Amino acid sequence: AQSVTQLDSHVSVSEGTPVLLRCNYSSSYSPSLFWYVQHPNKGLQLLLKYTSAATLVKGINGFEAEFKKSETSFHLTKPSAHMSDAAEYFCVLASYNFNKFYFGSGTKLNVKP
Amino acid sequence: GAGVSQSPSNKVTEKGKDVELRCDPISGHTALYWYRQRLGQGLEFLIYFQGNSAPDKSGLPSDRFSAERTGESVSTLTIQRTQQEDSAVYLCASSTRPGGDTQYFGPGTRLTVL
Repeated sequence: AQSVTQLDSHVSVSEGTPVLLRCNYSSSYSPSLFWYVQHPNKGLQLLLKYTSAATLVKGINGFEAEFKKSETSFHLTKPSAHMSDAAEYFCVLASYNFNKFYFGSGTKLNVKP
Repeated sequence: GAGVSQSPSNKVTEKGKDVELRCDPISGHTALYWYRQRLGQGLEFLIYFQGNSAPDKSGLPSDRFSAERTGESVSTLTIQRTQQEDSAVYLCASSTRPGGDTQYFGPGTRLTVL
């Protein structure tokens, strides 16, 4: 079965410190994985995607994620948090034919001044 | 248009009434998706359209839910005899082609069933 688990429902960091949002997946096929961000009262926006190319993926706003097959993980990181990063982040797994997308339950990132 | 649009942005209805939610995808996007997002939860897949056909309806929660799409444009999601548990934000997304991997999301319709 296909599923995504986001290990933390809330993460709080101080501005300027690193961000780590954790995501594990379960998939019976070679996965395609995404991270989306949802700012308050705004639509979902794609941050980055992994579709079986390089395992370290760089996205917008300084975010990146590393695909680790051995750990079935796709954690999202950023070296230095900014206040504008405060939002909810969703890890997403695509079905093999991209007909369906499985969303994690989301991680709310709080950035303290 | 520039992005995916949805209407209405907010809908309050009484239990038992029918509602219709509309999605206008980005022009030229052949794939269209509907999701439901309950308060404090992730997105729940409802249905996928490829053109005006729906090869995957597995996410529709009950027979009170239906959706249709006209050509490769507007889609409507209809909920009949609404229940309080239908209260959620309903999101629509489109992508460029079958198997297109990047979805562009609309702002959603917030449905409240009293």
